[in-house]
Amino acid sequence: ELKVEQNPLFLSMQEGKNYTIYCNYSTTSDRLYWYRQDPGKSLESLFVLLSNGAVKQEGRLMASLDTKARLSTLHITAAVHDLSATYFCAVGNYQLIWGAGTKLIIKP
Amino acid sequence: DAGVIQSPRHEVTEMGQEVTLRCKPISGHDYLFWYRQTMMRGLELLIYFNNNVPIDDSGMPEDRFSAKMPNASFSTLKIQPSEPRDSAVYFCASSFGGAGKETQYFGPGTRLLVL
Repeated sequence: ELKVEQNPLFLSMQEGKNYTIYCNYSTTSDRLYWYRQDPGKSLESLFVLLSNGAVKQEGRLMASLDTKARLSTLHITAAVHDLSATYFCAVGNYQLIWGAGTKLIIKP
Repeated sequence: DAGVIQSPRHEVTEMGQEVTLRCKPISGHDYLFWYRQTMMRGLELLIYFNNNVPIDDSGMPEDRFSAKMPNASFSTLKIQPSEPRDSAVYFCASSFGGAGKETQYFGPGTRLLVL
C-alpha cells in the first residue's frame, strides 16, 4: 500500500528565513505533485516532478525529487507572509495518495 | 477557461436527506475525480472517471454514496441518506490525457454540513 508522509505537519517561521518541507513515500512512483491550499480555498497545483533528480523552481519555492530515496523536498527561500498556506505532496498514477499536509505560517 | 465548476458551494442539510453535488470539468479534460477532505482523514479519492466511465470507485465509503457522469461536461455525487459523518468538503478535479497522470485541476469545493 502506498503511503505518503510529510513533515513537519506544522511550521511557524519568520519572514526572510529558509526552510524545507519533506515528503516521503513508501513505494515507487513515476511522478510526484506539490499543491498549495489557502484556508477555506481549493487546491492549486505548484509542481509536477517526473523523474529522479528533477528540480523545479517558481519564485521562492523549489521542489526536488529523489526517487531512489523516495523523497521529495519543497524548499522555501527567504519566506514571505504570502507563502503562508498548507502544502500537500501527492504521489501515484491514476489515483493520487496524498500527504497530510504541512501548515506553514510565516510571521511578518 | 472558467476552471472546474462545482455547485452548490455550501450545503446544510439534515440527517437522512438526499444530497446531490454537481461538477463541471474543464472543457476537453477526459478524467474527472471526486475527493473528500476532512480534518481527521485528510484528502481521500472517492471515485474517478475516464471518458465518462467510472474506473475505480474503491474509495466510495459505502453504498449511500453514488456518482455518475452522464456526459463529458457534467458529473454528480449523491449521498442518500446523508449522515453527520458525511460532513466534509467535497472537491471535484479534472485532468487531460496522460492516462490520468497529468496535473489535476481542482474546483472550489462544496462544503457540506449534515446536522
